[in-house]
Amino acid sequence: QQKVQQSPESLTVSEGAMASLNCTFSDGTSDNFRWYRQHSGKGLEMLVSIFSDGEKEEGRFTAHLNRASLHVSLHIREPQPSDSAVYLCAVNQGGSAKLIFGEGTKLTVSS
Amino acid sequence: EAAVTQSPRNKVAVTGGKVTLSCNQTNNHNNMYWYRQDTGHGLRLIHYSYGAGSTEKGDIPDGYKASRPSQENFSLILELATPSQTSVYFCASGDISYEQYFGPGTRLTVL
Repeated sequence: QQKVQQSPESLTVSEGAMASLNCTFSDGTSDNFRWYRQHSGKGLEMLVSIFSDGEKEEGRFTAHLNRASLHVSLHIREPQPSDSAVYLCAVNQGGSAKLIFGEGTKLTVSS
Repeated sequence: EAAVTQSPRNKVAVTGGKVTLSCNQTNNHNNMYWYRQDTGHGLRLIHYSYGAGSTEKGDIPDGYKASRPSQENFSLILELATPSQTSVYFCASGDISYEQYFGPGTRLTVL
């Protein structure tokens, strides 16, 4: 069973500074990696998905994947207070559409 | 944009009672999922379905049943609700690309 761990648990950054979030997974056969954002009391909003090593950019959000290191990261460029939320990493169970989620990183962007 | 709706949005139930959570999607996706979200556990998969008439057990199916009577509808049934099932429940629909679109969530409290 795929295990997904996120770090740090919480992160505070100043508005405009880069925010970097980390996610490690245990099963290298996975081929589908996603980052979601969840504002307090709301549903999940998909930010970026990545399927091969390297980077994928969607607006201010960039995901970096290194499957050999079992690591995927999310970088948020010029974060704003409205980006304050919980960020969830999700990795598919190898060969299937089932997603395994990390526990999330709570990001606070101070103005 | 994908549209997944859930009802009710909030529910208070009594221990031992029957609870049905409903999910409807207008995306014509084959796959549908039920998750619960708890502090310290992230999102965990309860049941999922590959199409009308099919249901599969996820990672934490005990105490839950699922029903997929049509492409659009997927229900989660708690036959005998317990306080440990107090949680926020999310439904999602997905296609063959493994993308999952989430509903807004149902907050269930079992007293």
